[in-house]
Amino acid sequence: KNEVEQSPQNLTAQEGEFITINCSYSVGISALHWLQQHPGGGIVSLFMLSSGKKKHGRLIATINIQEKHSSLHITASHPRDSAVYICAVPVYSGGGADGLTFGKGTHLIIQP
Amino acid sequence: SAVISQKPSRDICQRGTSLTIQCQVDSQVTMMFWYRQQPGQSLTLIATANQGSEATYESGFVIDKFPISRPNLTFSTLTVSNMSPEDSSIYLCSSSDPGEAQYFGPGTRLTVL
Repeated sequence: KNEVEQSPQNLTAQEGEFITINCSYSVGISALHWLQQHPGGGIVSLFMLSSGKKKHGRLIATINIQEKHSSLHITASHPRDSAVYICAVPVYSGGGADGLTFGKGTHLIIQP
Repeated sequence: SAVISQKPSRDICQRGTSLTIQCQVDSQVTMMFWYRQQPGQSLTLIATANQGSEATYESGFVIDKFPISRPNLTFSTLTVSNMSPEDSSIYLCSSSDPGEAQYFGPGTRLTVL
């Protein structure tokens, strides 16, 4: 079974700062997911990536398959980015649409 | 992207009773999953809901406690049986197709007294 380590667990930053959240996993995967959870519980899929880098607006996700490591970056952070960011990978090393195992999440607060 | 609804959104139940949670997807999907998020914790996979056959449960979860149905490609139910206060959690369903992102329902917040 895969295991996920995520850091930092808590992060408070000032508006405009560049944010980096890190994720490492133990077993080879088909794809890694970055998710966002707001107070109230709703979970939104930000990225699914299996290699290289993806960008959406101010969010950038990178993955290094050889090192089993991924990072999520937020450029020009804004208070509305405040949320819990979660890294998730398939529970088992396999392909297709798999159930996920999750990191403990990074609780991000962006202060004005 | 799939849009997922869950019913009920929240419930307060008495110890020893059962609650069935419904999950509806707005399009046919290959895979549906059920997760639990205990207070202050991250999500844990309960089971994969298989269409037309028995669900596949993760270690620590059993069919007698969490029976799951998936009668078609858009709908699934999770029952939490013989509830105790330790079952108080948010229960979420999700859907996925091969090569696609996983989409989550809004969750059902369960409190057991």
